[in-house]
Amino acid sequence: LAKTTQPISMDSYEGQEVNITCSHNNIATNDYITWYQQFPSQGPRFIIQGYKTKVTNEVASLFIPADRKSSTLSLPRVSLSDTAVYYCLVALFSVGYNKLIFGAGTRLAVHP
Amino acid sequence: KAGVTQTPRYLIKTRGQQVTLSCSPISGHRSVSWYQQTPGQGLQFLFEYFSETQRNKGNFPGRFSGRQFSNSRSEMNVSTLELGDSALYLCASSWGTGGVSGNTIYFGEGSWLTVV
Repeated sequence: LAKTTQPISMDSYEGQEVNITCSHNNIATNDYITWYQQFPSQGPRFIIQGYKTKVTNEVASLFIPADRKSSTLSLPRVSLSDTAVYYCLVALFSVGYNKLIFGAGTRLAVHP
Repeated sequence: KAGVTQTPRYLIKTRGQQVTLSCSPISGHRSVSWYQQTPGQGLQFLFEYFSETQRNKGNFPGRFSGRQFSNSRSEMNVSTLELGDSALYLCASSWGTGGVSGNTIYFGEGSWLTVV
């Protein structure tokens, strides 16, 4: 069964690039990796989703190596408002069912 | 376009009671999934419904149940509440089976349940 592992916490400073890695073993070919951001007392907010190689949108990039055993969320030039918990989500897909597995979350603190 | 709506946002129940939480998905989304979030256990998958059928279920006791209506709205029920059921319950929706083939899952703000 797949399991996801993320660092518990990270610290950064305004303007720096932050990379958060999620390790996920045993994900199948059709499985996607999704990253969410969560602020206190709010539901997780979608950041980015990918299947392989690299995906980029207006707020982040997602790097997935060829072996797909990990993925890295890259946040360029973070600001104080990026202080939040970041979760990776792996969807295990098999014919007839879908099981969603979250990482434990990485608490990112951005300092002035 | 309205997001995922959950009601109620906050509620307090007594041990042994039951509770029903409601979720309205994003318009056009047919899949609804539920999650429990606690400080100690993180985000845990409860179950997913698609077209009124439960597609998958997480590792929770039978006290946790759900259903989906023909309009894709969903309810989650917890019977015989225990203190350990105190948590944030999150509902999420997606167009198709969540997480697969790029079907992005969007979350609501959650329902805070406190069991006393």
